[in-house]
Amino acid sequence: GAGVSQSPSNKVTEKGKDVELRCDPISGHTALYWYRQRLGQGLEFLIYFQGNSAPDKSGLPSDRFSAERTGESVSTLTIQRTQQEDSAVYLCASSPPAGQGLYGYTFGSGTRLTVV
Amino acid sequence: ILNVEQSPQSLHVQEGDSTNFTCSFPSSNFYALHWYRWETAKSPEALFVMTLNGDEKKKGRISATLNTKEGYSYLYIKGSQPEDSATYLCAFTSSGSNTGKLIFGQGTTLQVKP
Repeated sequence: GAGVSQSPSNKVTEKGKDVELRCDPISGHTALYWYRQRLGQGLEFLIYFQGNSAPDKSGLPSDRFSAERTGESVSTLTIQRTQQEDSAVYLCASSPPAGQGLYGYTFGSGTRLTVV
Repeated sequence: ILNVEQSPQSLHVQEGDSTNFTCSFPSSNFYALHWYRWETAKSPEALFVMTLNGDEKKKGRISATLNTKEGYSYLYIKGSQPEDSATYLCAFTSSGSNTGKLIFGQGTTLQVKP
């Protein structure tokens, strides 16, 4: 597609339920990133996929968080047993295969997750 | 731990005022510094990527400078307009195996009053 697509755009869930967020990157972008922004805080790195390499999961806040990516396409971020502190805007971004540090990211418009 | 700090956290200016804000980052293992603009209900949008010490980039009324030796970058907006209201994020990448991973600051939120 022309841009990075995320769904749903908004999600309200009850505490304790599982949620799944989806990201469809730009075609040909081998790198895919998940970040989140909680209220009043900066963009927090969660996980990074680069082609077929093992993902960098160093930012996942707990074992309730996991993410999958099939090849160089769609990624899903799953949060199990959601807690109120998981409420945030979850942003996905993708970047071209070479020199991502130079090209920067193209972001999706995010999923606003509210846990009640 | 790589830390990127932005100041001020928020800023309110009148239309027509010029303004600037700061991003500080680790000066060692520098690879690139990025600026993004994030308007409410939209995606963050890339403004600049800078790599060389002394780099200066300009896009319309917005410009940015880079000092990699002391680890800071300034973003300037000349003659602010209400449509400049947004959160401005800077992000740092370090050299080495993980040059693709951006570490973001907390952002400076700018409100321009007409």
